[in-house]
Order: sequence, then C-alpha cells, then structure tokens
Amino acid sequence: ETGVTQTPRHLVMGMTNKKSLKCEQHLGHNAMYWYKQSAKKPLELMFVYNFKEQTENNSVPSRFSPECPNSSHLFLHLHTLQPEDSALYLCASSQDLAGQPYGYTFGSGTRLTVV
Amino acid sequence: GNSVTQMEGPVTLSEEAFLTINCTYTATGYPSLFWYVQYPGEGLQLLLKATKADDKGSNKGFEATYRKETTSFHLEKGSVQVSDSAVYFCALSALKTSYDKVIFGPGTSLSVIP
Repeated sequence: ETGVTQTPRHLVMGMTNKKSLKCEQHLGHNAMYWYKQSAKKPLELMFVYNFKEQTENNSVPSRFSPECPNSSHLFLHLHTLQPEDSALYLCASSQDLAGQPYGYTFGSGTRLTVV
Repeated sequence: GNSVTQMEGPVTLSEEAFLTINCTYTATGYPSLFWYVQYPGEGLQLLLKATKADDKGSNKGFEATYRKETTSFHLEKGSVQVSDSAVYFCALSALKTSYDKVIFGPGTSLSVIP
C-alpha cells in the first residue's frame, strides 16, 4: 500500500476512555509528524519524529502520548481527553524535515470526537 | 522567525472564473515554497512547489511563481471548476538547521459554485 495510512478514520470516545491512533507509511521516509486541525484554526504541529527519535513536542498536554516504534509506524495514545480535543488529527511523513524533495505526505486523518 | 501569510477566506467564485490566492512569506536565506490542497474529508496533498527565485511551479492548471523581490508565491488558475473547492495552504521550507521543518500558512478556503 502506498502513501500514509491512518486508522481509524473516525473515533468517538468518552473523557475517561483510552484509545490510540495509528499511522503507517511504507515510503521509506525518515520523519513523521502529528498535526491537530481544528475548525477555523491553523494547523497545529504536535510532535515530530526524525529517525524514530522525538525531536519536537510543542507544549502538548500529557494526555496525548506519542510513540514511534520504528520508522514506518507512529501512534498517538489518548487518555482522559477533553471536549476541546475534538479535531481532525493528521499524520504526515517526509524524506527529511525540510520536506525535500517531494514535500510532506499526509494521511487522510482521524476525525476525533470527545463526548 | 520564518512565517507564511495568506489571504483570508473564504473565497467564493463562479465556475470558470480566474483564481488568485495571495501568499507572502518571511524567511532568511532561500526557502523552498509549496502549495498544498486539502479536499473535504481528506489530508493535505502537495499541489506544486518551487525551489528558487523565478521558478514557476505548476500542476492541474494551477501555477505559482517564486518572487523573491516581493517575497510572494501567489497561486493562480485561469478557470476554476467545482472540483477545485478545497482549502489551499501555502508553505515554506527554510533550512537553517537540520531541525527546520515546513511551515504552513493558515489556509484559504475556496468554494466554486456552478
């Protein structure tokens, strides 16, 4: 399978639940990212992994916990979320952090609703 | 620091109208510039890019020219279609360190009506 695959596409969870988002790429890319996209707000970069090492955490609350077990897989573990965490969560990958030569490749996202 | 500014939307056009979405940037050095498109219910897709001054990126009838003198990378299309309705993101990549990443603008929503 080509591209970046995210599962599930849709997720509804209660505030006390624990769930995980999964992202997978077989493009041979070295960098992977989690973004949050909320209505009427700019894209928010949450986490960056480069060669499986986390290189950036943009003051994300600890109720979001990323995991990168290998260069092809990225997870976002969720627990005790708040309703304001409802958003589209996008995973992306790239050959290098600068997006050379083909830019970032994005998955279709997981639409998360916290009730 | 590096930044990208886009015209605010939403932009609403009739089919076959001419499209311009303005994008300006602030960066040191010589950034690469990108336009991404996000169709409803999907992630972002790379639409076109330019890596040096005066380069023109083009794809699917869309064009953008890297203007260093005006620090701009405006997106244009001569005749839009309903299927072009999407959110368009301007972005830049300016390598200063090995940890620099692509920076995205806030996005401009385009609606094309028949």
